[in-house]
Amino acid sequence: QKEVEQDPGPLSVPEGAIVSLNCTYSNSAFQYFMWYRQYSRKGPELLMYTYSSGNKEDGRFTAQVDKSSKYISLFIRDSQPSDSATYLCATEENTDKLIFGTGTRLQVFP
Amino acid sequence: ETGVTQTPRHLVMGMTNKKSLKCEQHLGHNAMYWYKQSAKKPLELMFVYNFKEQTENNSVPSRFSPECPNSSHLFLHLHTLQPEDSALYLCASSREGYGGANVLTFGAGSRLTVL
Repeated sequence: QKEVEQDPGPLSVPEGAIVSLNCTYSNSAFQYFMWYRQYSRKGPELLMYTYSSGNKEDGRFTAQVDKSSKYISLFIRDSQPSDSATYLCATEENTDKLIFGTGTRLQVFP
Repeated sequence: ETGVTQTPRHLVMGMTNKKSLKCEQHLGHNAMYWYKQSAKKPLELMFVYNFKEQTENNSVPSRFSPECPNSSHLFLHLHTLQPEDSALYLCASSREGYGGANVLTFGAGSRLTVL
């Protein structure tokens, strides 16, 4: 079993839709949960991160962690064509070693 | 320049060539990383350097040889590569070991094609 599982997509949605991106993980010791966004021909950039369970909101983006089910989610409200990118979830055990998912490719069409 | 800069952006090499990838960070970070990104696979951590000392070698074949002369520069020397080594090689840096989440700043990557 992979430590972090993520559906590679692609996920194609119309502009304005609510997008839900998800990951599952296997190690209950993971404490930090991150979402990176990677545009084509660019490196990943940190979008947001959360510590332990709960929600964190930043503009149109909400990160959610459910430690009981080992489930990580990223919601994008009012999606825009500029949100088209690959979204990678990542987690770590407070050891500074990050474990990444495969990434989900998202396309938002006008 | 700010952030993490990688050169070259694209590299095509034969299996017998020797080439090097270069990474430079201007963020004052203490840790630098090489990752390999292949299609439909998670990012694979290759090497970690902290204050220019190698702290992790993730069972990488010896045809990949890292070099970290100081905390701001990182190289990946390539020799006798195989076609399956074709991938995007990402450099990253962070303030590792200071507690909290280890937030990585990535460069744009070097796209390597081995013929």
